Amino acid sequence: DIQMTQSPSTLSASVGDRVTITCRASQSISSWLAWYQQKPGKAPKLLIYKASSLESGVPSRFSGSGSGTEFTLTISSLQPDDFATYYCQQYNTYAGTFGQGTKVGIK
Amino acid sequence: EVQLVESGGGLVKPGGSLRLSCAASGFTFSSYSMNWVRQAPGKGLEWVSSISSSSSYIYYADSLQGRFTISRDNAKNSLYLQVISLRAEDTAVYYCARAAYCGGDCYSAEYFQHWGQGTLVTVSS
Repeated sequence: DIQMTQSPSTLSASVGDRVTITCRASQSISSWLAWYQQKPGKAPKLLIYKASSLESGVPSRFSGSGSGTEFTLTISSLQPDDFATYYCQQYNTYAGTFGQGTKVGIK
Repeated sequence: EVQLVESGGGLVKPGGSLRLSCAASGFTFSSYSMNWVRQAPGKGLEWVSSISSSSSYIYYADSLQGRFTISRDNAKNSLYLQVISLRAEDTAVYYCARAAYCGGDCYSAEYFQHWGQGTLVTVSS
């Protein structure tokens, strides 16, 4: 199974900060990577697919990059609505799909 | 508007069984792969199972050890998950998720474009 490892597990940031979350795959997944945002008590929401494609309706402050085994999600200027947990997901294969999550909290 | 509404969760005793349902609307259900993803309390997301649009391809997480069965009824726009021999570690919110369009009865994995609100399954005596 492909293992997905996110870092950091938690981070504290202020409104307006630039935030970067990293996701590493245990083997190459080309660009078959998605990012999701989840708020407490809510279902996950798709942000990015195919590593860098922005889902319709998602603010442009979110961006994704990377290929192969290393990927990043960047929030260019953190907004109050962005405090949440973020997950990466590989869809190169079905098994072992999600990273463990990164919780973005208020500093 | 895409809507996915799960039902069938609740309190179940260890060793028991249940059937989760997901009612879909707002899109052509028979054209999309569908999925179940679960989340234990305070934990991360865990992919459970996927089924292609015509049920030709079905996949399960290895950790489920044959206790889960996914199915769909395209005439009823519904997705199901039958679970037997429930254990405490199966306690979780179970989400139904629609995959991105892949152009047919696809065997390939996809990302999850739309999610339901989830149904809570609690396994406890």
